[in-house]
Amino acid sequence: AAGVIQSPRHLIKEKRETATLKCYPIPRHDTVYWYQQGPGQDPQFLISFYEKMQSDKGSIPDRFSAQQFSDYHSELNMSSLELGDSALYFCASSSPLRDPKLFFGSGTQLSVL
Amino acid sequence: KNEVEQSPQNLTAQEGEFITINCSYSVGISALHWLQQHPGGGIVSLFMLSSGKKKHGRLIATINIQEKHSSLHITASHPRDSAVYICAVDKNYQLIWGAGTKLIIKP
Repeated sequence: AAGVIQSPRHLIKEKRETATLKCYPIPRHDTVYWYQQGPGQDPQFLISFYEKMQSDKGSIPDRFSAQQFSDYHSELNMSSLELGDSALYFCASSSPLRDPKLFFGSGTQLSVL
Repeated sequence: KNEVEQSPQNLTAQEGEFITINCSYSVGISALHWLQQHPGGGIVSLFMLSSGKKKHGRLIATINIQEKHSSLHITASHPRDSAVYICAVDKNYQLIWGAGTKLIIKP
């Protein structure tokens, strides 16, 4: 069965560069969540989308933006990267009205040097 | 005070023991999730609960909406159950995560 696909799996950037992380939800899932998990820390909710509209916003810095496209994939854009942005970024998808169980991608490990 | 509290934070047990991990929350929720995170970082959704009890293999999850409390039980624990178990509550399309319980099962 298809799972949540995140790309890239690993990304190395330098300070002040930009990065784009992609998330492809399970087919027919209309809701996408983004999380950031720093080393040894709890995952922090960043932002979520439902039916291509932002549904909720958490601790997402102003330097970050995200959107969900017509095919329901989502992209997290990160600009002016800082060392503290180094983390594992998870995406999860669900279809709240049909089956609210969450499915997680494997994450993108971002390292900012 | 955190909106989602888990206990214990760390748990080490011998293979075969019955394991209980608890989760209490203080906000109104539409659902509660139990998640499993392995050392490599991958997260697997174990259960989604809005009421009652669910069972899957050796795993059992219960929730008491009135008391705002949920428990995850593992019967006949095995070393491969070693992982971080996370309780997360669904509040208006936002998941609020507990701090996780690091479980180590020794052979």
